[in-house]
Amino acid sequence: GIQVEQSPPDLILQEGANSTLRCNFSDSVNNLQWFHQNPWGQLINLFYIPSGTKQNGRLSATTVATERYSLLYISSSQTTDSGVYFCAVNDEGNEKLTFGTGTRLTIIP
Amino acid sequence: KAGVTQTPRYLIKTRGQQVTLSCSPISGHRSVSWYQQTPGQGLQFLFEYFSETQRNKGNFPGRFSGRQFSNSRSEMNVSTLELGDSALYLCASSRQAVNGELFFGEGSRLTVL
Repeated sequence: GIQVEQSPPDLILQEGANSTLRCNFSDSVNNLQWFHQNPWGQLINLFYIPSGTKQNGRLSATTVATERYSLLYISSSQTTDSGVYFCAVNDEGNEKLTFGTGTRLTIIP
Repeated sequence: KAGVTQTPRYLIKTRGQQVTLSCSPISGHRSVSWYQQTPGQGLQFLFEYFSETQRNKGNFPGRFSGRQFSNSRSEMNVSTLELGDSALYLCASSRQAVNGELFFGEGSRLTVL
């Protein structure tokens, strides 16, 4: 099946810093989503982005489908940005989402 | 618009018991899928239902089962619980069966003693 790798696995930043999270996938995808898992476990939708670039406030994402990667940018980090960020894909011919192992982001005041 | 609702949020069971978890999707969403999250295995797909039909199933033993009702609400059942079934069970709904954007509930955290 498709492999999804996220980097870095852990990231510790000072409040106000910018960060880039990466998601590599091993095959063509029809769907790519970024999620933020809050401390209570809920997966919060950030972006549905199988290709192209989207922005939502301080967050933006870019997926380059032909090169099989996606990037999530967080600018001016706040402590509430802390948590685990997951990318998930569903590849062509497979309707289930395969999740990456996540990036744990810790923002220090 | 209400989000995906999962009940119960927390539960504790003992080995050998069974458990039923419920998921109400976003209104208008007909696809419901279930995922298990554990520290060791990460997020793993359990199964997916669309219009009361199971369309996909992950690599889990037959003790894990599910169903979807005509109102799109879904339940999953785990029989003969094992310690390793302790996990966060997440339900997601989507408007379409294929390549749809998934929206997750808050999860049901199961502890097996």
